[in-house]
Amino acid sequence: NAGVTQTPKFQVLKTGQSMTLQCAQDMNHNSMYWYRQDPGMGLRLIYYSASEGTTDKGEVPNGYNVSRLNKREFSLRLESAAPSQTSVYFCASSEQGQRQETQYFGPGTRLLVL
Amino acid sequence: AQSVAQPEDQVNVAEGNPLTVKCTYSVSGNPYLFWYVQYPNRGLQFLLKYITGDNLVKGSYGFEAEFNKSQTSFHLKKPSALVSDSALYFCAVRDPLYNFNKFYFGSGTKLNVKP
Repeated sequence: NAGVTQTPKFQVLKTGQSMTLQCAQDMNHNSMYWYRQDPGMGLRLIYYSASEGTTDKGEVPNGYNVSRLNKREFSLRLESAAPSQTSVYFCASSEQGQRQETQYFGPGTRLLVL
Repeated sequence: AQSVAQPEDQVNVAEGNPLTVKCTYSVSGNPYLFWYVQYPNRGLQFLLKYITGDNLVKGSYGFEAEFNKSQTSFHLKKPSALVSDSALYFCAVRDPLYNFNKFYFGSGTKLNVKP
């Protein structure tokens, strides 16, 4: 099993450009998540999908949209990138989205917005 | 408000010595507590978690953590540090009384183990 995979690994954008970050998991998990990681701030939840066909806002959703394409895939879209969105983005998944479950993380996408 | 605090940005320890990485939390109900480790340019890897039961939880790579309800702490420990333990460690909590999908992460503690 590959676990959670993310593409691309690194991306440079100019302000105002758009892009989609891809995430896929092969663990048959129902719940998937997008986080951003900024220095000194830990990880902050952007959006999550409790199950296929549902998405909900997390802590910092502004400037982002998501699509739960199917059970395996959960994409994050930046419609008009801003320098404040320079960050490392992590996708994660868990089996049922229950409170006691472990989340499994992908390797991350480093995004630089100029 | 729910929160997690890791009071030390960095912990330095010599190889072979015991290590402690501190974490305190603030939640409304009984917490679900997690520790993750992040190696450079990698995603977070699960180490251990406390849900209920024995206050001492054992996890991967020889790590353990002690849940202390009166002190609202969940410190990560290892009896004998290895150079390969050098990484960024995150404490996270879930409050079962609130949105079950939300993790509250600490800001992270960088562990440096010197030979």
